[in-house]
Amino acid sequence: DVKVTQSSRYLVKRTGEKVFLECVQDMDHENMFWYRQDPGLGLRLIYFSYDVKMKEKGDIPEGYSVSREKKERFSLILESASTNQTSMYLCASRRTGTINYGYTFGSGTRLTVV
Amino acid sequence: SQELEQSPQSLIVQEGKNLTINCTSSKTLYGLYWYKQKYGEGLIFLMMLQKGGEEKSHEKITAKLDEKKQQSSLHITASQPSHAGIYLCGADNTGTASKLTFGTGTRLQVTL
Repeated sequence: DVKVTQSSRYLVKRTGEKVFLECVQDMDHENMFWYRQDPGLGLRLIYFSYDVKMKEKGDIPEGYSVSREKKERFSLILESASTNQTSMYLCASRRTGTINYGYTFGSGTRLTVV
Repeated sequence: SQELEQSPQSLIVQEGKNLTINCTSSKTLYGLYWYKQKYGEGLIFLMMLQKGGEEKSHEKITAKLDEKKQQSSLHITASQPSHAGIYLCGADNTGTASKLTFGTGTRLQVTL
């Protein structure tokens, strides 16, 4: 089974800190995604990557950046954390061209910015 | 981007009862994905529908996509406590599943 691992389940950071959220998948998937999940708003796409060193903005990229230096790792960076970035962050991956199986998600990182 | 609406937002049912969750899109769906999320955890893929009129089942969960490919329903028969969680639909509006848009989710509680 594909495994998508997010480095932290819970994280508490201070306003203004630079925050790194790490995501690693072990099945050689080309595509990787970062979503945030908030009550009443569902999942919203922040950034995605079709392959190594490639990145595309999602629906809400402001305040975030990403890095994809290796195929298995996709990092989400909060340049200067703010309280409105308190959320559940979910990473996902999929193999290009496989439409029948959806995305494989990690367990999520619940980030609190104080 | 494509707007997805799920209803109801939350649902409390007694164990053994049937229930239905709906997902409606403002545009034609190339693919519709159903996921389940345990509270505070990641999403687990349930099933995917692609063709108008298609229906798929897994154990006691059945999902359908209407002929016009703008609405899907998820039906649970004889609900159990293990069915509790958040159900989300995800829409493919590209035909390649390169980017999924998700509904806001339906929170299901099953009482004894």
